[in-house]
Amino acid sequence: GESVGLHLPTLSVQEGDNSIINCAYSNSASDYFIWYKQESGKGPQFIIDIRSNMDKRQGQRVTVLLNKTVKHLSLQIAATQPGDSAVYFCAENPYNQGGKLIFGQGTELSVKP
Amino acid sequence: NAGVTQTPKFQVLKTGQSMTLQCAQDMNHEYMSWYRQDPGMGLRLIHYSVGAGITDQGEVPNGYNVSRSTTEDFPLRLLSAAPSQTSVYFCASSYRETDGYTFGSGTRLTVV
Repeated sequence: GESVGLHLPTLSVQEGDNSIINCAYSNSASDYFIWYKQESGKGPQFIIDIRSNMDKRQGQRVTVLLNKTVKHLSLQIAATQPGDSAVYFCAENPYNQGGKLIFGQGTELSVKP
Repeated sequence: NAGVTQTPKFQVLKTGQSMTLQCAQDMNHEYMSWYRQDPGMGLRLIHYSVGAGITDQGEVPNGYNVSRSTTEDFPLRLLSAAPSQTSVYFCASSYRETDGYTFGSGTRLTVV
């Protein structure tokens, strides 16, 4: 069936280091991918997205890479800060299915000062 | 511009009771969805809507009903609450099918 999964459930990094969070997806029909950040007690917050006609997109301190050949995407956070501590979810949007999002399990990022 | 507003924030129900979780958005978004989030898990889609008058089932629709009479509102109804419906519920909306959804702050529901 369709699934989006994360390789690592937890990630601990030192403040100032770069973080990389990985995600695998299985639906080759998905053409839109989103990374969300969720802090404790809050709803998911949009970080960055990428469409299937791209392989890289950069935002402020964040970069998303998409490898359609192996159905893999990653979120890179540069100079990780304590405020980046949260759970990060990837989500895929299968083409022409009414905007449904399929979420991965999530990775908890912990930043040590 | 309030974004996506969910009420109530917390609710405790007894098994068999019914209730409606409210969701409203003021961004003129056509696409709206309901998700549930259980501990240590990602979000699972319950129901979604691509516009007023149009709804469809997601991954886990059993025990829940929805309607979309206006663009702004997308209430989620629990007809007969069960302990398995204890969860955090999130409503989300988007202007287009391939836009990042905006999420509400959630409703934490406990069924005893």
